[in-house]
Amino acid sequence: SQQGEEDPQALSIQEGENATMNCSYKTSINNLQWYRQNSGRGLVHLILIRSNEREKHSGRLRVTLDTSKKSSSLLITASRAADTASYFCATDAWNKLVFGAGTILRVKS
Amino acid sequence: GAVVSQHPSRVICKSGTSVKIECRSLDFQATTMFWYRQFPKQSLMLMATSNEGSKATYEQGVEKDKFLINHASLTLSTLTVTSAHPEDSSFYICSARPGELANTGELFFGEGSRLTVL
Repeated sequence: SQQGEEDPQALSIQEGENATMNCSYKTSINNLQWYRQNSGRGLVHLILIRSNEREKHSGRLRVTLDTSKKSSSLLITASRAADTASYFCATDAWNKLVFGAGTILRVKS
Repeated sequence: GAVVSQHPSRVICKSGTSVKIECRSLDFQATTMFWYRQFPKQSLMLMATSNEGSKATYEQGVEKDKFLINHASLTLSTLTVTSAHPEDSSFYICSARPGELANTGELFFGEGSRLTVL
């Protein structure tokens, strides 16, 4: 299975702090994507990084990709209570997305 | 962004009955839609890829006779859970990718359907 692994499984931080989540995967990919899921809801796309890119920014989000280590990280800076959600990485290969286990982020106000 | 609508959001049924879940792309055409299943506090598991006008492609371990997928138009895919059992209770989520964004990889997700089989 190509399903990625994410760590930590759960992360609890104070508002204003930065949150870092990591994702590892097993096979070659076209791109890697990060999604957010609020409890009991669908997923929202956050950011996509292609296999030939190493870093990408979007607002308070920073994603890195290391294809040699088959790993990616998602950094959320200056976290807010509204960032509380589950975050999933997903690897895109052979035209389908395979999701990692996810990190549950809780931002305390 | 593109909008995907999923219906119903919640459904409760008796064991042995069949349940149909609809997934519609509201403002774009989707030749491909994806059906995922999610257990509580777990990740999404890809069940099948729904292809407009042709048979769905099922992932290993997913019973095609149990989970019937029909993609009859460029904006609608349906998942029918046949002869439902309590172990089929789960959160089912569909997603679609606009045809013109086929190479970008971004998926747009429905809000999910929570199935409870009594």
